[in-house]
Amino acid sequence: AQSVTQLGSHVSVSEGALVLLRCNYSSSVPPYLFWYVQYPNQGLQLLLKYTSAATLVKGINGFEAEFKKSETSFHLTKPSAHMSDAAEYFCAVSSNFNKFYFGSGTKLNVKP
Amino acid sequence: GAGVSQSPSNKVTEKGKDVELRCDPISGHTALYWYRQSLGQGLEFLIYFQGNSAPDKSGLPSDRFSAERTGGSVSTLTIQRTQQEDSAVYLCASSERLGPDTQYFGPGTRLTVL
Repeated sequence: AQSVTQLGSHVSVSEGALVLLRCNYSSSVPPYLFWYVQYPNQGLQLLLKYTSAATLVKGINGFEAEFKKSETSFHLTKPSAHMSDAAEYFCAVSSNFNKFYFGSGTKLNVKP
Repeated sequence: GAGVSQSPSNKVTEKGKDVELRCDPISGHTALYWYRQSLGQGLEFLIYFQGNSAPDKSGLPSDRFSAERTGGSVSTLTIQRTQQEDSAVYLCASSERLGPDTQYFGPGTRLTVL
């Protein structure tokens, strides 16, 4: 069985501060991991994905995530938050691309 | 080009009625996925299609739910005898093929069962 836990349903950071959104997964087989973003009144879009190549994955809009097998984590980071980063972020895991398991999401608020 | 479209965007129905939700994937995408997003919860995976085939229906919440895809394109998710707990946003996504390809999501259908 697979599952994803996103710690913190709401995260608030100041503009220019580091963004860290946490994702831990559970998988009995090597996982493929994803981060999606949902801007207000918009559909989900892929930020980045890990598919067993480099463990540090770079995505769009300056986001990156590092796959750490020993910690079963795939945390999302961005060095400097921008107001436009305010959105809801979802972590997802899949082992075979037939089923995808999403976390419950983290809403990021960016304060001016 | 055109993205994934879903219709209707909103659907309000009475408990016990049947509803059909439609998904038009990106042209040429062979893989199609349905998800459900309930208030305050993450996305729940329902079913996937490879072409017109849905090999695994175990993610559907109950036997009141069914889905089909025709011509390798349009897909319909049908909910029979709707219940209040079916109220959610139903999302559809498509990708070029089954695998690590990026999934492109539609805007969703918000279903409200009164």
